[in-house]
Amino acid sequence: GQNIDQPTEMTATEGAIVQINCTYQTSGFNGLFWYQQHAGEAPTFLSYNVLDGLEEKGRFSSFLSRSKGYSYLLLKELQMKDSASYLCAVVDSNYQLIWGAGTKLIIKP
Amino acid sequence: ETGVTQTPRHLVMGMTNKKSLKCEQHLGHNAMYWYKQSAKKPLELMFVYNFKEQTENNSVPSRFSPECPNSSHLFLHLHTLQPEDSALYLCASSETGGATDTQYFGPGTRLTVL
Repeated sequence: GQNIDQPTEMTATEGAIVQINCTYQTSGFNGLFWYQQHAGEAPTFLSYNVLDGLEEKGRFSSFLSRSKGYSYLLLKELQMKDSASYLCAVVDSNYQLIWGAGTKLIIKP
Repeated sequence: ETGVTQTPRHLVMGMTNKKSLKCEQHLGHNAMYWYKQSAKKPLELMFVYNFKEQTENNSVPSRFSPECPNSSHLFLHLHTLQPEDSALYLCASSETGGATDTQYFGPGTRLTVL
């Protein structure tokens, strides 16, 4: 079966760095998305990785290792507004989008 | 202007009621989606429309009936729902409907079935 694993919940401190992991077992791979969803709001696109390596966008970076079936989202200089759920989703070999259950990130002052 | 809008934002209905959810996208996209989001579960894709044609129906019960009159509007008609249908219903759009497209989501309708 197809599976995406993310931690259910994480807590971090304002100003710190946090890494949210996503591991996947899917039938093939054609890309991985990260979305951010604040409580009661729409998910919004953060990143899309299809090649191995680290992609940086301001305070957020996303890393992919296809051989390990692994990605992480790195958030630096955490702000209170970063409190949200972070959704990982993988495009499989049939070009189906498989979603993880999301990681709820709580930022404390 | 907000890219994808959904109405109503909240809906409470009895099991014998009939109601409809509405979604509108202002992004000029050709594909629209309905998802169900339940607490601590992955997003469940329900329906996909591409150029107004339904291209995916993921074994959704017939008590959910989608309608896509044009590329900008999407409806989800609800009837004889069950309490387990209570969830957040998200609408999304994308340029072409491809799985590698970025999807743009609306804020969702929080549905409670009594």
